[in-house]
Amino acid sequence: DVKVTQSSRYLVKRTGEKVFLECVQDMDHENMFWYRQDPGLGLRLIYFSYDVKMKEKGDIPEGYSVSREKKERFSLILESASTNQTSMYLCASTTGGSTEAFFGQGTRLTVV
Amino acid sequence: EDQVTQSPEALRLQEGESSSLNCSYTVSGLRGLFWYRQDPGKGPEFLFTLYSAGEEKEKERLKATLTKKESFLHITAPKPEDSATYLCAVQANSGYALNFGKGTSLLVTP
Repeated sequence: DVKVTQSSRYLVKRTGEKVFLECVQDMDHENMFWYRQDPGLGLRLIYFSYDVKMKEKGDIPEGYSVSREKKERFSLILESASTNQTSMYLCASTTGGSTEAFFGQGTRLTVV
Repeated sequence: EDQVTQSPEALRLQEGESSSLNCSYTVSGLRGLFWYRQDPGKGPEFLFTLYSAGEEKEKERLKATLTKKESFLHITAPKPEDSATYLCAVQANSGYALNFGKGTSLLVTP
């Protein structure tokens, strides 16, 4: 089975901190994604990567950056956390083409 | 711009009471339409992919269908364990990412 693992289930950080969310997949997938999910807004794409060191902005990239140094790992970085970044963060991966995305278990981030 | 609209936002059913969830979409060339189930506090779990109008897929009490403008997720004789949020997403020919609707929250009571 494909496994997508996010490094933390729950995180609490202070405003202004630099925050790293890590995601690892074990199926050699080319594409990896970061979404955030908020009540009433659904899942919104922050960034995605279609190859090592390649990245594309999604719908809401402001305040975030990403890093993909290895194929299996995709990191989301909050440069200076703010309270409006309190959310559920979901990582996903797919192979190329029209295949389904496999999701991690999510990281519930609270910024205080 | 791709758009995905799911209805209703919430649905409450009695156990055994069949119903359908709707996903209307606008996309510039559909590569695939996806249905996911999401339990509270967890990541979405893949259910189905549909690629072309007229296609249908089934899994246990769930059946997904696709037309050129919408998809339905039919739930036959639901059980309480079917309670979850059901998400619809589309992937355009031009892109990699999935564009999600806001979901339908389903509650099945005994």
